[in-house]
Amino acid sequence: KAGVTQTPRYLIKTRGQQVTLSCSPISGHRSVSWYQQTPGQGLQFLFEYFSETQRNKGNFPGRFSGRQFSNSRSEMNVSTLELGDSALYLCASSLDNPGTEAFFGQGTRLTVV
Amino acid sequence: DQQVKQNSPSLSVQEGRISILNCDYTNSMFDYFLWYKKYPAEGPTFLISISSIKDKNEDGRFTVFLNKSAKHLSLHIVPSQPGDSAVYFCAASTTTSGTYKYIFGTGTRLKVLA
Repeated sequence: KAGVTQTPRYLIKTRGQQVTLSCSPISGHRSVSWYQQTPGQGLQFLFEYFSETQRNKGNFPGRFSGRQFSNSRSEMNVSTLELGDSALYLCASSLDNPGTEAFFGQGTRLTVV
Repeated sequence: DQQVKQNSPSLSVQEGRISILNCDYTNSMFDYFLWYKKYPAEGPTFLISISSIKDKNEDGRFTVFLNKSAKHLSLHIVPSQPGDSAVYFCAASTTTSGTYKYIFGTGTRLKVLA
């Protein structure tokens, strides 16, 4: 069974640009969450989608947005990139059962210059 | 407001000895806790979890202990192996919330010395 797939793996963008990251969850998983990892900050929750609806959102500015498609694939968009957006962006998928673990992709390393 | 805290950014342990990684939380609504291991350039991989109805869960060399009154959990690795060297994250969630929002700590970098 294929794991969580994130594309691209690496990305370099210029300040002010926008970027779209993609995540394909494990087959059968309908919950997809996004996290930002920066040094010293751990994994910060961005948002969670289920059945094409955003169910929960973290404390990030509106420049960070996402969506989920009917096949559960999800995209995350960051507009007007800032240097501080440089981070590893991780996607995780879960079954819709309380008390189950999330499975992570390898992440997209975004560098803003 | 850091609801899940891992106060030790790093830990070094000799091969064969016990590694103990600690995690504290502040939200009493958390009822499900997980530990993840992360190698560089890879996503976190799930290690072990514990529900708040238990105080201990074991899986091979890994044991997680939960002390609800102290809002504290720990991960024990016995015996530690060089391949265990990685960053370990604890995470917490509220299963009754109907969402899958995991709150992660900042991680502890474990180095197992051969």
